[in-house]
Amino acid sequence: AQKVTQAQTEISVVEKEDVTLDCVYETRDTTYYLFWYKQPPSGELVFLIRRNSFDEQNEISGRYSWNFQKSTSSFNFTITASQVVDSAVYFCALSEARGSGNQFYFGTGTSLTVIP
Amino acid sequence: KAGVTQTPRYLIKTRGQQVTLSCSPISGHRSVSWYQQTPGQGLQFLFEYFSETQRNKGNFPGRFSGRQFSNSRSEMNVSTLELGDSALYLCASSFGGSGANEKLFFGSGTQLSVL
Repeated sequence: AQKVTQAQTEISVVEKEDVTLDCVYETRDTTYYLFWYKQPPSGELVFLIRRNSFDEQNEISGRYSWNFQKSTSSFNFTITASQVVDSAVYFCALSEARGSGNQFYFGTGTSLTVIP
Repeated sequence: KAGVTQTPRYLIKTRGQQVTLSCSPISGHRSVSWYQQTPGQGLQFLFEYFSETQRNKGNFPGRFSGRQFSNSRSEMNVSTLELGDSALYLCASSFGGSGANEKLFFGSGTQLSVL
């Protein structure tokens, strides 16, 4: 079973529209972290946000906002007034402590295309 | 501060051959993880090395192996290549501390094509 599910495989929006990328996770740990990464065509995953399991406050950073709800095991990502530069593949990830380190589980990614 | 460097950027091999990929982590990072990325499958965890020891391992066959050197640089080897091994191989580094809060820093990947 997938520990991180991103049900939206591909999304297309017109520039300046808002778009929400969904992420649902599964874990039995009480302490865990959730991440969002952006992968532009260059291939390198770029870190966007990290959220720990005890902090359910929503976060806003410029045009980006994140909605973390433990009750529904969701960590959704919204881009407001989308721009062409937002076109990329976005990955949601769950990190759990394992032994002396941690284990990451990535979703299958959502490919976002912003049409000018 | 230099980022994570992966070489080569592109590789073309034929079935049955073997290949070695290289990853140089960010200075000061002691953990290196490897991921395989294929369309529709997302990122699949291969293994993680910390201080020259394999600390975690994913569900890949023994044809996939790796190692880490004393300077934290890591190599990944795939023997007896199969068509299904065609993928983008990503390396990520981190400080490697305990706990789940470690952030991964990724390289641009090596695109491997098996013909």
